[in-house]
Amino acid sequence: DSGVTQTPKHLITATGQRVTLRCSPRSGDLSVYWYQQSLDQGLQFLIHYYNGEERAKGNILERFSAQQFPDLHSELNLSSLELGDSALYFCASSVASGGDEQFFGPGTRLTVL
Amino acid sequence: AQSVTQPDIHITVSEGASLELRCNYSYGATPYLFWYVQSPGQGLQLLLKYFSGDTLVQGIKGFEAEFKRSQSSFNLRKPSVHWSDAAEYFCAVGPPTNDYKLSFGAGTTVTVRA
Repeated sequence: DSGVTQTPKHLITATGQRVTLRCSPRSGDLSVYWYQQSLDQGLQFLIHYYNGEERAKGNILERFSAQQFPDLHSELNLSSLELGDSALYFCASSVASGGDEQFFGPGTRLTVL
Repeated sequence: AQSVTQPDIHITVSEGASLELRCNYSYGATPYLFWYVQSPGQGLQLLLKYFSGDTLVQGIKGFEAEFKRSQSSFNLRKPSVHWSDAAEYFCAVGPPTNDYKLSFGAGTTVTVRA
């Protein structure tokens, strides 16, 4: 158990819908990272937040957005969902940034029908 | 742009045999280098990392990796594989900056046969 929690574990929804994935980092970690893992794209970095501020963006679609709240939990919002958004979404956390070990949560499996 | 190549999609190894997983990276300078393992239905767990210094890095679960700058490689090794090592292994690179994002290879699936 990494100490990072993600809810829900599984999510099934329809195209065009909007969902919110939630991540609680390890106690004391200030950084939260979101990754998408799919069969065709592999594991891709989406976005990084540090202490409430966005620090880096990767291959994140405009339909996706994220935020980190004052209590340091983070939410990833996916809207206008398409079939291709079906994937495993991981959250990771680290103490700070710049090379700290990232601890990964168990992931949320999103299925878009 | 940084990129990571894991040439082997799938490796089968006998229990007790040695294992080597290859990783090559492309990056302008020496990046931070990592190996992660993902067991079925689980998140990723860090096995080891290289930032600088000794090019032979020891990790958890008996794994080690060697950084070779001349070959832009960071291969993972284990002298004697256990059945519990069956998993998917990912090599990752990250820039040595504070705005820090990992780029992952496609992964190598390891099957251990009795």
